[in-house]
Amino acid sequence: EAGVTQSPTHLIKTRGQQATLRCSPISGHTSVYWYQQALGLGLQFLLWYDEGEERNRGNFPPRFSGRQFPNYSSELNVNALELEDSALYLCASSLGHDDAFFGQGTRLTVV
Amino acid sequence: QKEVEQDPGPLSVPEGAIVSLNCTYSNSAFQYFMWYRQYSRKGPELLMYTYSSGNKEDGRFTAQVDKSSKYISLFIRDSQPSDSATYLCAMSPYNNNDMRFGAGTRLTVKP
Repeated sequence: EAGVTQSPTHLIKTRGQQATLRCSPISGHTSVYWYQQALGLGLQFLLWYDEGEERNRGNFPPRFSGRQFPNYSSELNVNALELEDSALYLCASSLGHDDAFFGQGTRLTVV
Repeated sequence: QKEVEQDPGPLSVPEGAIVSLNCTYSNSAFQYFMWYRQYSRKGPELLMYTYSSGNKEDGRFTAQVDKSSKYISLFIRDSQPSDSATYLCAMSPYNNNDMRFGAGTRLTVKP
């Protein structure tokens, strides 16, 4: 069974640009979570999608947004990129309140 | 004060040692407690999950939760070089949704 897959693996953008990160959950999982793992800061909760709806949002500015598609895959968009947005972005999926499984992450570098 | 405090280490032990990893937290609403293991350049992998005070054992791993002291621990018995990784504690009031992570403790087990 395929795990959570994220693309791209690495992404390099310049300041002010937009970045789009993608996540495919484990088959059958309906919830997708996005986290930012910046150096020295640990994992910070970004967004939770379930059944196509945004259910909760972490303490991040509105330029961090996303959506969940009917097939439960998800997209994270970061607009007006800033240097401090450079981080590993992790996606996790779960079925309801069962265990959450993480993908390998997308390494975003803003230059 | 951070909601979840975790000593980032690094922690270095000889093979076969008992390892103790700890986190403290300040939010009484946390009901679900997790430990994740993260190898370099990989996403976090769920190790242990509990939602009650007391001990939970799984092979060489024991998770301990003391809600009255707001303190959780992970013990690794007979540590192996393959246990070398960063260990993250995580907790949530609602299970998976809005998990709050510790900074992670980097563990090295030397042969």
